[in-house]
Amino acid sequence: ETGVTQSPTHLIKTRGQQVTLRCSSQSGHNTVSWYQQALGQGPQFIFQYYREEENGRGNFPPRFSGLQFPNYSSELNVNALELDDSALYLCASSPAGTSVLETQYFGPGTRLLVL
Amino acid sequence: QKEVEQDPGPLSVPEGAIVSLNCTYSNSAFQYFMWYRQYSRKGPELLMYTYSSGNKEDGRFTAQVDKSSKYISLFIRDSQPSDSATYLCAMSEYSSASKIIFGSGTRLSIRP
Repeated sequence: ETGVTQSPTHLIKTRGQQVTLRCSSQSGHNTVSWYQQALGQGPQFIFQYYREEENGRGNFPPRFSGLQFPNYSSELNVNALELDDSALYLCASSPAGTSVLETQYFGPGTRLLVL
Repeated sequence: QKEVEQDPGPLSVPEGAIVSLNCTYSNSAFQYFMWYRQYSRKGPELLMYTYSSGNKEDGRFTAQVDKSSKYISLFIRDSQPSDSATYLCAMSEYSSASKIIFGSGTRLSIRP
């Protein structure tokens, strides 16, 4: 196990609604990244938080937003849900002082279905 | 054309065979190359990390990077049924995750 947990495991929403997904990392993992993985595709980087500040963002609109908390938990918020937002959402955390690409630990993901 | 191309498979081989998984890419600026394994209903797990060209071996796994051909490979020796999973290649220009590009994954099945 990676020590990264995500909740909920599955979620069904309707178009236009808002959703909050949660991630809990190991103690000392002060970098967290969020990814969207559509069915049959590789993960796409959404954004990264380091010490509670966003420090990198992929090609996703502003309705995708996040928060990171001092207790090593984080949130991904998506407003005005669209059908194309249906995907597996993954968070990955990295320990302090390490290269993120070498030490990303992924959670099991939250599968979101937008109807 | 996608920046990273990966054959989706599925690839089915008998137990004990040598498996070869490959990705091609178009961006010559990529310097960091990774292979992830993803089991069904799980998140990806980093298997191999390589910087620049060359080979890297870890147990039954060998990663190769050929930057001149823009081609990377993952070899699995003495394949086991537990190796059955989707294998994702990933690469980046920088050591930050913000620029990481994943392939679409190859589904691998090892037949007992």
